[in-house]
Amino acid sequence: QQPVQSPQAVILREGEDAVINCSSSKALYSVHWYRQKHGEAPVFLMILLKGGEQKGHEKISASFNEKKQQSSLYLTASQLSYSGTYFCGTANTGNQFYFGTGTSLTVIP
Amino acid sequence: DSGVTQTPKHLITATGQRVTLRCSPRSGDLSVYWYQQSLDQGLQFLIQYYNGEERAKGNILERFSAQQFPDLHSELNLSSLELGDSALYFCASSARVGSSNEKLFFGSGTQLSVL
Repeated sequence: QQPVQSPQAVILREGEDAVINCSSSKALYSVHWYRQKHGEAPVFLMILLKGGEQKGHEKISASFNEKKQQSSLYLTASQLSYSGTYFCGTANTGNQFYFGTGTSLTVIP
Repeated sequence: DSGVTQTPKHLITATGQRVTLRCSPRSGDLSVYWYQQSLDQGLQFLIQYYNGEERAKGNILERFSAQQFPDLHSELNLSSLELGDSALYFCASSARVGSSNEKLFFGSGTQLSVL
């Protein structure tokens, strides 16, 4: 039931771009994205509610392909502060809210 | 500060013991979720409560139980503790039960160490 994310880990230099993918075997009605820094609580980034919807947050944006049951998070011109573990999350019809397997992102100078 | 309060921050106990973790949601939030995060692992959904009622159950062991009280705070009870229960336990809250369209606010977590 847990969405699968790829890649598991990525290392970037400042200014580089990255894409994190989230796939589910079940129908997705919405997708959340959160970032967790080491030793801290996850922090909300954005929600995508409709198929095809794209949302942006500064240089971080996301898309949602309802048909393919996938969502992607795009990080543009990465900054050191982007380092952390990114989780997608989704609710199923039973109201269970599952997070994806997580993607560790490290931005180096 | 998310507005979600979890206590205690750290808990060290022995195998076989029982502990209670407490969570106070953001003011006005009716839903509380509990998650378990083992070392370098993802967030495992345990259980969700809405306005005092159990709403959804995830991968919660029978040794674990939870409840939400009339003042909306929630407690997660872990009993017959095993070494493998050592983890960071997060609680999160949202305003209503519709988790598909409402963001979750997380507390800072309780780090449980079972020795």
